[in-house]
Amino acid sequence: RKEVEQDPGPFNVPEGATVAFNCTYSNSASQSFFWYRQDCRKEPKLLMSVYSSGNEDGRFTAQLNRASQYISLLIRDSKLSDSATYLCAVNKVSNYQLIWGAGTKLIIKP
Amino acid sequence: DTGVSQDPRHKITKRGQNVTFRCDPISEHNRLYWYRQTLGQGPEFLTYFQNEAQLEKSRLLSDRFSAERPKGSFSTLEIQRTEQGDSAMYLCASSSGTVAFFGQGTRLTVV
Repeated sequence: RKEVEQDPGPFNVPEGATVAFNCTYSNSASQSFFWYRQDCRKEPKLLMSVYSSGNEDGRFTAQLNRASQYISLLIRDSKLSDSATYLCAVNKVSNYQLIWGAGTKLIIKP
Repeated sequence: DTGVSQDPRHKITKRGQNVTFRCDPISEHNRLYWYRQTLGQGPEFLTYFQNEAQLEKSRLLSDRFSAERPKGSFSTLEIQRTEQGDSAMYLCASSSGTVAFFGQGTRLTVV
């Protein structure tokens, strides 16, 4: 089993819809969780950190479920510009290394 | 620009040649990471520095790969005797806490 797993998608979603995807992690002692966005042939860019209490940034909401060991990302009122690959990253407990999922590809259609 | 900087952005090399990439992290960041990413995959950890000390190296990193961070500032990643399987995007990231910020990457193509 991979340490961090994501549904690769693609998720094909009409513009304006709400979409959500999850990321599961295997190490119950993991402390920090992140969502990054990666556009084609570009570097990953931090979208948001995921806090225990959950957090929201505009149309984006991230949640952490420690009991079931997953994090989620919800995008409301999706825009064409939201089309990208969304990577989750989980902090490796022994150092500050991040363990990455393979990403979920999101395609927003007009 | 005060972000992470990588050089070159693109590199095409013949199989068997050596290549070296450079990463300049965000200046106040003491941690520096190298990752490799291929199409459809997440970043794959290669190695990690805290200041000038190389604290961890992936078992996936063969002895053809070496990385340095001599003064705890910029870092270099060298690949000797390149193979076609080395073709990938090589990403550098830096952090001062848990959040990592990436450079734009060096795309290596081995022909």
